[in-house]
Amino acid sequence: AQSVAQPEDQVNVAEGNPLTVKCTYSVSGNPYLFWYVQYPNRGLQFLLKYITGDNLVKGSYGFEAEFNKSQTSFHLKKPSALVSDSALYFCAVRDIGSSGSARQLTFGSGTQLTVLP
Amino acid sequence: ETGVTQTPRHLVMGMTNKKSLKCEQHLGHNAMYWYKQSAKKPLELMFVYSLEERVENNSVPSRFSPECPNSSHLFLHLHTLQPEDSALYLCASSQASGGVYNEQFFGPGTRLTVL
Repeated sequence: AQSVAQPEDQVNVAEGNPLTVKCTYSVSGNPYLFWYVQYPNRGLQFLLKYITGDNLVKGSYGFEAEFNKSQTSFHLKKPSALVSDSALYFCAVRDIGSSGSARQLTFGSGTQLTVLP
Repeated sequence: ETGVTQTPRHLVMGMTNKKSLKCEQHLGHNAMYWYKQSAKKPLELMFVYSLEERVENNSVPSRFSPECPNSSHLFLHLHTLQPEDSALYLCASSQASGGVYNEQFFGPGTRLTVL
């Protein structure tokens, strides 16, 4: 079975400060990992993904995420937050070696990021 | 986001009504999905359609019935719903090949309220 946890329901950060949104995962094999963002009254938008290769993945809007296999984490980061980054962020995982319905993504419950001006 | 469209954007229905949600993707993808998004809960995958397979979440009640007439269109037929079915219903698409499903592109969702 695969699962993903976002331990923080809410993260507040001041504009211009670095931000981190945490994600940990559990898979039996190797993971595909994704981050999505959802703005109010909108669907989810793809930010970035880790499949293989460099542990530091760069994505849209200046976001990046670091894959840490030993800690089973894939935290989302940005060096300098913008007010417009305020949104709901979802981490998702899929086990590369899974079959059937487990090949589908499992999403976390989401973290609401608020960037204060 | 404009690559995946959903209609209607908002729907209010009684428990005895029959309605359908529509999704269309313009990205040339070969897999489409229905998700349910409820407040404070993880996204719940309801159905997947691809050239390779149809996948269902066995916990989805039979009052939700999907239909996928072709790779660009996906419907969710609703019948005798309950108030707890009120949620945001999201459609997504992706390119799947050899059992590998790439990142998904989501529509804006249909906000469903069941009275």
